Amino acid sequence: QLQLQESGPGLVKPSETLSLTCTVSGGSISSSSHYWGWIRQPPGQGLEWIGSIYYSGSTYYNPSLKSRVTISVDTSKNQFSLKLSSVTAADTAVYYCARQDYYDSHFDYWGQGTLVTVSS
Amino acid sequence: EIVMTQSPVTLSVSPGERATLSCRASQSVSSNLAWYQHKPGQAPRLLIYGASTRATGIPGRFSGSGSGTEFTLTISSLQSEDFAVYYCQQYNNWLPLTFGGGTKVEI
Repeated sequence: QLQLQESGPGLVKPSETLSLTCTVSGGSISSSSHYWGWIRQPPGQGLEWIGSIYYSGSTYYNPSLKSRVTISVDTSKNQFSLKLSSVTAADTAVYYCARQDYYDSHFDYWGQGTLVTVSS
Repeated sequence: EIVMTQSPVTLSVSPGERATLSCRASQSVSSNLAWYQHKPGQAPRLLIYGASTRATGIPGRFSGSGSGTEFTLTISSLQSEDFAVYYCQQYNNWLPLTFGGGTKVEI
């Protein structure tokens, strides 16, 4: 059974860079049939797609976050990562990683999510 | 950006009853629409993709319909484990992929 697990600091100071890693187990991140994505949910709000990456390194970012987002993949560790720079309180959210179908683009497996709070 | 609007925001239903959830897109997304179930503290769960195809392991009481701009998720007979928040997501336009605001199904 495929599992995804987010990890990283739960508290980040304003103006700093948020860094999270998603570890994939029970399957290969080098699958040609999948993208790997990050989605977030601010408290009391809906879901927002941050971006997705293919194992080759091709990336797609939400235009609203593109200037601050970097998603990378490490196939040797079966992990992919998110960096979000210059964070503010508005970036406080539960961050999810998920597997995305290459052909149909829905998200079929999700991690449990990790809360990241931006505060001094 | 394609805006996804879900209604109602909250749906109060009794166990065994039928629930009908709506999702409207600001422009056509063809059949490139998915539905997810989300319970507090848990990972969201894919229910439906391609507007009407049930994901693996999803019970038959969940069904999706629609195309273009109007979509419906129907839960034919609500079970206790179905009380959750439901989101629709379009993937016809990647930049950006967008979700609806959610419908909370409560007892």
